[in-house]
Amino acid sequence: KAGVTQTPRYLIKTRGQQVTLSCSPISGHRSVSWYQQTPGQGLQFLFEYFSETQRNKGNFPGRFSGRQFSNSRSEMNVSTLELGDSALYLCASSPNNNEQFFGPGTRLTVL
Amino acid sequence: QQQVKQSPQSLIVQKGGISIINCAYENTAFDYFPWYQQFPGKGPALLIAIRPDVSEKKEGRFTISFNKSAKQFSLHIMDSQPGDSATYFCAADGGSNYKLTFGKGTLLTVNP
Repeated sequence: KAGVTQTPRYLIKTRGQQVTLSCSPISGHRSVSWYQQTPGQGLQFLFEYFSETQRNKGNFPGRFSGRQFSNSRSEMNVSTLELGDSALYLCASSPNNNEQFFGPGTRLTVL
Repeated sequence: QQQVKQSPQSLIVQKGGISIINCAYENTAFDYFPWYQQFPGKGPALLIAIRPDVSEKKEGRFTISFNKSAKQFSLHIMDSQPGDSATYFCAADGGSNYKLTFGKGTLLTVNP
């Protein structure tokens, strides 16, 4: 079974721009979560989607948003990028039983 | 508020030794406790997980010990190998939240 895939793997943007990251979950998994990983804050939960509905949201500003499509693929968007948004963004999929399987992440650098 | 506290931050073990990483949690609603292993440039990989109805779970060289009354759980890696050198994260989730709260991580180095 193929794992979680994320595209792109690396991204460089400048302050004020916006960015869209994509995630394809493991086949059959309908829950997709997003996390931000930084050296200072560690792994922090952004949001979780199931059947195209956001079920849970972390403590991030409204500049961070996401969505899920009918095929369970998910995207997250960050608008008006700030230097502090530089991070590894991780997507995790779940068969809806707490177990979460992570993708390789998208490394975002904001200049 | 850090809801899951992990220690130590870093750990150096000799090949064949036992690696022990500890975590403590505050939220009594947590009922799922996984451990993840992360290599540089990779996403975290689920190693082993436990629920509060058991005090210990073993999978190969990896064992989770769980103490519900103390709100603590730990990962033991037996016969540690250089290939185990990685960052280990404990995490916790409660009910049907599907929202993992992570510890800050432990960088494990196993010397040959």
